Amino acid sequence: KNQVEQSPQSLIILEGKNCTLQCNYTVSPFSNLRWYKQDTGRGPVSLTIMTFSENTKSNGRYTATLDADTKQSSLHITASQLSDSASYICVVETNYQLIWGAGTKLIIKP
Amino acid sequence: EAQVTQNPRYLITVTGKKLTVTCSQNMNHEYMSWYRQDPGLGLRQIYYSMNVEVTDKGDVPEGYKVSRKEKRNFPLILESPSPNQTSLYFCASSPQNTGELFFGEGSRLTVL
Repeated sequence: KNQVEQSPQSLIILEGKNCTLQCNYTVSPFSNLRWYKQDTGRGPVSLTIMTFSENTKSNGRYTATLDADTKQSSLHITASQLSDSASYICVVETNYQLIWGAGTKLIIKP
Repeated sequence: EAQVTQNPRYLITVTGKKLTVTCSQNMNHEYMSWYRQDPGLGLRQIYYSMNVEVTDKGDVPEGYKVSRKEKRNFPLILESPSPNQTSLYFCASSPQNTGELFFGEGSRLTVL
């Protein structure tokens, strides 16, 4: 069964610290993987997309990695800011379908 | 400004009272979709539309209807709402069925 699992479910860190969010998937065939950021009460917004041949991609303080062999992706946030408080959702595309993870809720404390 | 607009943003209704949640996009996207989001679960697709007059069921279509008479609009209809349809609903659009989705602000629906 195609599944996307994210960990941790929630995370609290201090402003300025780094953190890494995990996404494991059992999806086949794999087309691509996206990370979305969802602020509380808002719709998700795409942060980055990873294709099969990409290992690392950065978008400002966000760096996504993909290991297609182990079917794992991570989202690393550097020097966190209060505005990073949000849910981060991993989505894997397969056969023109999107398989959504449940998300990681990240809280940045001052 | 490119956007997806949903209305209403918040709604409290009672069981059985028909309601419509509107969705409009100004990006000339062909693909539109409705999702519901419940605590602890990922976004679940209700219905989607590849183009005008073309709609198809997603993963959780029961109790919902949609129509796509114009490219920009994709309303979600709850003919007889029930409490298990209490949820946060998102409309999204994309230039094609694969690729980045652009989401509306969400509509929080409570059915009593």
